Amino acid sequence: GEDVEQSLFLSVREGDSSVINCTYTDSSSTYLYWYKQEPGAGLQLLTYIFSNMDMKQDQRLTVLLNKKDKHLSLRIADTQTGDSAIYFCAETGKGSSNTGKLIFGQGTTLQVKP
Amino acid sequence: DVKVTQSSRYLVKRTGEKVFLECVQDMDHENMFWYRQDPGLGLRLIYFSYDVKMKEKGDIPEGYSVSREKKERFSLILESASTNQTSMYLCASSLEPRAFFGQGTRLTVV
Repeated sequence: GEDVEQSLFLSVREGDSSVINCTYTDSSSTYLYWYKQEPGAGLQLLTYIFSNMDMKQDQRLTVLLNKKDKHLSLRIADTQTGDSAIYFCAETGKGSSNTGKLIFGQGTTLQVKP
Repeated sequence: DVKVTQSSRYLVKRTGEKVFLECVQDMDHENMFWYRQDPGLGLRLIYFSYDVKMKEKGDIPEGYSVSREKKERFSLILESASTNQTSMYLCASSLEPRAFFGQGTRLTVV
């Protein structure tokens, strides 16, 4: 079935780059997403990438998509303490592009040390 | 900006109670969703609705039902709350390709 996998924890020092990785199984996904969840809050859409793109950059965020390996990554440049949060990777599952249903990974907790 | 509002941030209910979680969105989106979030499991889809009075089961619908009488409102109902339904519940609405989430309701069943 459809599955999205992420590592559970990443720790970096303030000012370094963070790279959060995700693998997915459904090659028919139309869009892939990164969401951020701060403590006690809902999910905030950070960025998304259309499946026919390889890369998308938005200020400090860079998303890389390797369709052959079904691998998605989020790079945060110059990581700040305010970037400490849980990051979720998600895909539109099979047949879901017109309904908005998303399949989420387990979430990666990013810890930024001063 | 799209606003998705969940009626409660925190709820404590007793086992066996009927529980209503309410969600309202202000952008006239057709698609609305209820997810459950548990540590290490990510978000799992309980139910979704793609139009008024329309609903479809997600991956974990057992023990839950939903109601969508108006386009802007999507309710999640726990018919008889149990301790294994203690969780964070997140509502979302979407207009492709973006989905927007509420702030979440942390439900504790005692």
